[in-house]
Amino acid sequence: QKEVEQNSGPLSVPEGAIASLNCTYSDRGSQSFFWYRQYSGKSPELIMFIYSNGDKEDGRFTAQLNKASQYVSLLIRDSQPSDSATYLCAVTVSGGYNKLIFGAGTRLAVHP
Amino acid sequence: DGGITQSPKYLFRKEGQNVTLSCEQNLNHDAMYWYRQDPGQGLRLIYYSQIVNDFQKGDIAEGYSVSREKKESFPLTVTSAQKNPTAFYLCASKGGTSGLTDTQYFGPGTRLTVL
Repeated sequence: QKEVEQNSGPLSVPEGAIASLNCTYSDRGSQSFFWYRQYSGKSPELIMFIYSNGDKEDGRFTAQLNKASQYVSLLIRDSQPSDSATYLCAVTVSGGYNKLIFGAGTRLAVHP
Repeated sequence: DGGITQSPKYLFRKEGQNVTLSCEQNLNHDAMYWYRQDPGQGLRLIYYSQIVNDFQKGDIAEGYSVSREKKESFPLTVTSAQKNPTAFYLCASKGGTSGLTDTQYFGPGTRLTVL
């Protein structure tokens, strides 16, 4: 069974620090990887996607992908209390781009 | 405003009732999805549709039904056969043809509670 694993947390970081969120996946054929942020009681919103090995930066966010290790991470620099949320990792199912498998999410708490 | 709308926001169902959740999008997206989220768990795929008049079962389709008669609409019916329907239901849509970068965007969700 294809799986996406995330540490449930909570991951607690002080304001201004770097938060590092990790995700591993079992499907070697997965080609695209997504990070969503979900505030309590709300729907997920896309932060960024990555499909090439290496780093991809977008503002305070950096996604890192290592397909050989089947590992994707999200770094949040200069963490703010407003970043406190659950972060969902999602990967495409091999054989097509039309289905995603989601991890259970990591809860991040940024304290002042 | 372009986006995905879901209604109602909250829904209460009695035992043995069928209920229908609405999902509408004006993004001109071809693909639409229904997910279920339980507390502390990730999203699980119920049904998806890549084109009008066609849909496929996801991982947990039992007790649910869908239709896709129009590109912009993908309603989900939760039938009485679904034994544990209390959950947060999320609809998503996806456009594009590039494959690798095509992204699913979510509606605001419907919270269903069985009384």
